[in-house]
Amino acid sequence: QSALTQPASVSGSPGQSITISCTGTSSDVGRYSYVSWYQQHPGKAPKLMISDVSDRPSGVSSRFSGSKSGNAASLTISGLQADDEADYYCSSYTSTTTLVFGGGTKVTV
Amino acid sequence: EVQLVESGGGFVQPGGSLRLSCVGSGFTFRSYWMTWVRQAPGKGLEWVANIDRDGSERYYVDSLKGRVTISRDNAKNSVYLQMNGLRDVDTAVYYCARDAPDAYYAMDVWGQGTTVTVSS
Repeated sequence: QSALTQPASVSGSPGQSITISCTGTSSDVGRYSYVSWYQQHPGKAPKLMISDVSDRPSGVSSRFSGSKSGNAASLTISGLQADDEADYYCSSYTSTTTLVFGGGTKVTV
Repeated sequence: EVQLVESGGGFVQPGGSLRLSCVGSGFTFRSYWMTWVRQAPGKGLEWVANIDRDGSERYYVDSLKGRVTISRDNAKNSVYLQMNGLRDVDTAVYYCARDAPDAYYAMDVWGQGTTVTVSS
């Protein structure tokens, strides 16, 4: 199972909006609405930010939103803040009952 | 407080074995699927395996099939990862995670990780 494709880095200024893409195939992102997004600060465990394409867990800021079209999913962070600087990973359920992650995107504010 | 605590990591020679453990607290452990995810130094996340609530269903990443076994003991609120035939590429931080109750294959609670180093 190949990793999902994410840009290596995305940057933005405070207050701006950025979007991180996550491209898969018809066997994962394109087939299922089970895409999640995680935020990871250096030396810390990942934190779930979005599940099932666009659902925000309790406690996650509404500045984070997710969407999907075809084989690609996206995470948008609006009103960028300094603490948003982190690595972000997408993941998708696959047709082989496994989970695949993207390679990760470093967000710089 | 909902918490997961991993243990069992350490240094091991190539070809060796390790058994990682993860204890959950603050929630009804037996009601959740559990997952192991690893992260090699400076690299991204890699899903390793997961197990259903009673241990009857287990799924593994293809690259590790035959070398790892996930199991659980709900009486001890614990999930395990037995790793055999370890290689240098298995060097990573191994995270235990709880599957979110209202999402599919999404992990909402993570441990702090335990480090496995495979080296001669």
